Amino acid sequence: KNEVEQSPQNLTAQEGEFITINCSYSVGISALHWLQQHPGGGIVSLFMLSSGKKKHGRLIATINIQEKHSSLHITASHPRDSAVYICAVRGSGNTGKLIFGQGTTLQVKP
Amino acid sequence: NAGVTQTPKFQVLKTGQSMTLQCAQDMNHEYMSWYRQDPGMGLRLIHYSVGAGITDQGEVPNGYNVSRSTTEDFPLRLLSAAPSQTSVYFCASSYVGPGYGYTFGSGTRLTVV
Repeated sequence: KNEVEQSPQNLTAQEGEFITINCSYSVGISALHWLQQHPGGGIVSLFMLSSGKKKHGRLIATINIQEKHSSLHITASHPRDSAVYICAVRGSGNTGKLIFGQGTTLQVKP
Repeated sequence: NAGVTQTPKFQVLKTGQSMTLQCAQDMNHEYMSWYRQDPGMGLRLIHYSVGAGITDQGEVPNGYNVSRSTTEDFPLRLLSAAPSQTSVYFCASSYVGPGYGYTFGSGTRLTVV
């Protein structure tokens, strides 16, 4: 079993829909990261969370440390949101190592 | 602009050839790492470093060497390329402390024929 599990693996939505991507982890962490990768593109950091909730534009990320679970929400989705969204956790040690989920491929249709 | 610079962006190698993927950062980050990304496998850690002169193996280190002679540079060497090393490679850096984000390079698409 992977230490970081994302669901769903693939997601298709219509423009304007509210989208939720989930991430569960089984290890102790110091922080959780949500990353975005457009097709053929590089990896961009969206959020870093150690508790609570963060919002940036139409994106909202939450984390529940007790339940070892995080969600990424996209409100009023747009075709330009089509990308792979990756959850990654930084362990509680001091090495800086990340453990990645498998990623969620999102397609938003116009 | 500050960031992580990866070169080359694309490379085709013949089986058995050697090459070095370059990674440089100008943010004085202690932590640098190399990942490979394969379809259905996600990102997997190859090697990482927490400072100059210190390197360690990740999840999939076989066939790869690294060194960290300076804070800025963390090259990845393929000594004898194999088709199984066909992948997209990403370098990333960060400060070692827990409250910091990561900066990724733009990736190197490597094909070994």
